Amino acid sequence: DGGITQSPKYLFRKEGQNVTLSCEQNLNHDAMYWYRQDPGQGLRLIYYSQIVNDFQKGDIAEGYSVSREKKESFPLTVTSAQKNPTAFYLCATLAGNEQFFGPGTRLTVL
Amino acid sequence: DAKTTQPTSMDCAEGRAANLPCNHSTISGNEYVYWYRQIHSQGPQYIIHGLKNNETNEMASLIITEDRKSSTLILPHATLRDTAVYYCIVRVLENYGQNFVFGPGTRLSVLP
Repeated sequence: DGGITQSPKYLFRKEGQNVTLSCEQNLNHDAMYWYRQDPGQGLRLIYYSQIVNDFQKGDIAEGYSVSREKKESFPLTVTSAQKNPTAFYLCATLAGNEQFFGPGTRLTVL
Repeated sequence: DAKTTQPTSMDCAEGRAANLPCNHSTISGNEYVYWYRQIHSQGPQYIIHGLKNNETNEMASLIITEDRKSSTLILPHATLRDTAVYYCIVRVLENYGQNFVFGPGTRLSVLP
């Protein structure tokens, strides 16, 4: 079954803790993206990676970090420096004309 | 910033055609028009894209004006499952460094 997996679907953390969101894909796509979505808003780009061992900041990278050690995996760490981390996080890949999205992780920081 | 403008919300009766407009008056010659939709708390789903000719697939039709400054997504027979937020995006084809910019979109409610 091909696709993008994000786990867990819901995640709760205490303020001040770092948390890592998982994104795995078996589509063999080179490019991967992380977006953040707040209620009633569109998607904002956090980081993207065009190839293994390379990644670029998006529009709202402050307080986030990523790694791309494997083609299949693009984990996102939400650090304590992110002032308002509660949001819906979407991972995506890109192939040709189409962007493919995972199911998302809803992070709530208490 | 999104390069498109869409109405905030629309209603459509079940079984009728849903026509979702999008303005993209600053579109460049090499930019395509894409449509995605997002059902509540899920990832966005690709619907259709086009450059200047009208396009149709199993999900929808895309009508682009001759001057390319606006387009309309048509869902020919809307069902309750088509209730979602619909995003209109302009983007250069196969530019991996340019992400898809998702604005707030149009919230379509299909009513029974």
